[in-house]
Order: sequence, then structure tokens, then C-alpha cells
Amino acid sequence: DAKTTQPTSMDCAEGRAANLPCNHSTISGNEYVYWYRQIHSQGPQYIIHGLKNNETNEMASLIITEDRKSSTLILPHATLRDTAVYYCIETGFQKLVFGTGTRLLVSP
Amino acid sequence: GAGVSQSPSNKVTEKGKDVELRCDPISGHTALYWYRQSLGQGLEFLIYFQGNSAPDKSGLPSDRFSAERTGGSVSTLTIQRTQQEDSAVYLCASSLPGSPLSYTFGSGTRLTVV
Repeated sequence: DAKTTQPTSMDCAEGRAANLPCNHSTISGNEYVYWYRQIHSQGPQYIIHGLKNNETNEMASLIITEDRKSSTLILPHATLRDTAVYYCIETGFQKLVFGTGTRLLVSP
Repeated sequence: GAGVSQSPSNKVTEKGKDVELRCDPISGHTALYWYRQSLGQGLEFLIYFQGNSAPDKSGLPSDRFSAERTGGSVSTLTIQRTQQEDSAVYLCASSLPGSPLSYTFGSGTRLTVV
């Protein structure tokens, strides 16, 4: 079973930052936090991952709390194309276990 | 290839028939994963291959489901005596082993059992 907790849905206005929270209070020392997203009718897409430091790439930023029990995915300027289900996953090196994710709706 | 290729993209089959779903991973990706996603649901892990061996097949829902991988490349997921509850999108992903687990997913096979 998935070990993370995410809100079921969120809304965001186009052009604004989307901040998606995730709780992973049982994460162990060697487990990473991964974020994927799934746009309607497509396979999931890798976004970003981190261990304990904040991370940024061309898609998003990942902020991990110092105790590593929660994190926030930030899409700095959301577009309509960012409407998707966003999955937060904690895992070691073997496999990803997807939960139900957060359905983000970006509106004009 | 440039991405993960799955075939067929759509499959309609009669209850009780056997089906084979194919996944062609990215060249050089030694890890391969099968998931399924029922309508409106999250992704359910089925099986994981490292090379030709399957160290984790814990997600296969019944003995009607099996998978194999040959030559460390193409994988086939077989469902015998299909049931209506097998209807779902079957997704395949591949990755380089270890961290990061940055999977590349295929577009999936939509299986409908009638």
C-alpha cells in the first residue's frame, strides 16, 4: 500500500504557483521522495525526486522538511497543460507504489 | 527505441479467452515494470523484472496472470481465461536499475473484456 498522504484535489489559477503537499511521516533514512504526474489518458511522467535537500529542475521544485516527514511540490507558473493527477511516492530502490494522488485542476 | 512501446494499444476480448500484452522497453533499460489501472483508480503494481528474472511478482492478482521477459528486453504479460474485472489499462515502464527510479512509461494497453 502507498505510504504517503495527499489531498484528493486542488485548484490553481493559470500563471500562479501550484503548491502540492505530501505527508510521508513513516519515511526511512534511505528512502527517497518521488513525484510523478499523469495527464489524462497518458502514462505517468517522472517530475522530480529528492532525499533530504531541496531540488529544482526544469519542471518543478521540491521542498522537503528538515525532519523529512513532509514535502511540497511547486510548479512555479502553472499552465493549463499542468492539469493532471500528481503522485507523491516514498520508496527505496526497488519499485514505486502509487497512491491515489492529488488531482490538480489549472483554470484560466 | 526512443520510448517504451506497448502493443496492442487497445484490445477487446471475450470473457474466458487468453490475451497477451507486449512491452518493448527503452534500449539499455534493464528494469521493467508492469502496472494496471482500472477506470478512475490509481496504478496497481503487478510485477518487476531485473533482466530476465522477476524478483518481485507480488502484485499479480491471481495465477491467471503471468509474465516473462526474454533477452533482457521485450516482456509479455499473459492473462488466461480473462474475466470482466481484468478490464483496465495495463501500463509498462522501464528504467535503469537503482536510484533514481525515473521510470519511463508506455502509453498502455486498454483491455476490455466483454
